[in-house]
Amino acid sequence: GQQVMQIPQYQHVQEGEDFTTYCNSSTTLSNIQWYKQRPGGHPVFLIQLVKSGEVKKQKRLTFQFGEAKKNSSLHITATQTTDVGTYFCAGQYSNDYKLSFGAGTTVTVRA
Amino acid sequence: DTGVSQDPRHKITKRGQNVTFRCDPISEHNRLYWYRQTLGQGPEFLTYFQNEAQLEKSRLLSDRFSAERPKGSFSTLEIQRTEQGDSAMYLCASSPRQINIQYFGAGTRLSVL
Repeated sequence: GQQVMQIPQYQHVQEGEDFTTYCNSSTTLSNIQWYKQRPGGHPVFLIQLVKSGEVKKQKRLTFQFGEAKKNSSLHITATQTTDVGTYFCAGQYSNDYKLSFGAGTTVTVRA
Repeated sequence: DTGVSQDPRHKITKRGQNVTFRCDPISEHNRLYWYRQTLGQGPEFLTYFQNEAQLEKSRLLSDRFSAERPKGSFSTLEIQRTEQGDSAMYLCASSPRQINIQYFGAGTRLSVL
């Protein structure tokens, strides 16, 4: 079935360092969305990527959608303690409104 | 607060009992989704509605689960004869007509003893 894989599952980062989380789908996506879930919280929408090769930036966060629309990445520069949480990618396939979530990357930050 | 509202926030029940959760979506959002999330996993799709019509149900949704959205506004998710494996966070989300960005509620955490 349609499934979105996400790695790594955990990312322990020194404050100030950069890190990247990756998502991959076996089949072409209509679009991909990224959500952040703080500990004890619920997923909060960050961004949607629709076009092949699209790159979007939100301050220290850079989101990329692959040329084949099968993979995506989130890169965070100069990690801060406020970046703690779990980042999920969620893929949407054509003619389908539901989202297929990856397992998430849980980020912890060492001060 | 105009976000997605879920009630109750926590539910503890004994195995075999029935439980019902409620979700109030953002006003004028025509699509409403139910997901289940267990520890260390991403939300897992259960079912969704467009207005009052239930358009898709996951194969994971056993016959013990039923959802309704009678007037195209709030929705309920009922689990009959609960099992310990039903313990999870049940998340509701809604999205507007124009774009499928989903806004999640705080969830209902179910514990089946």
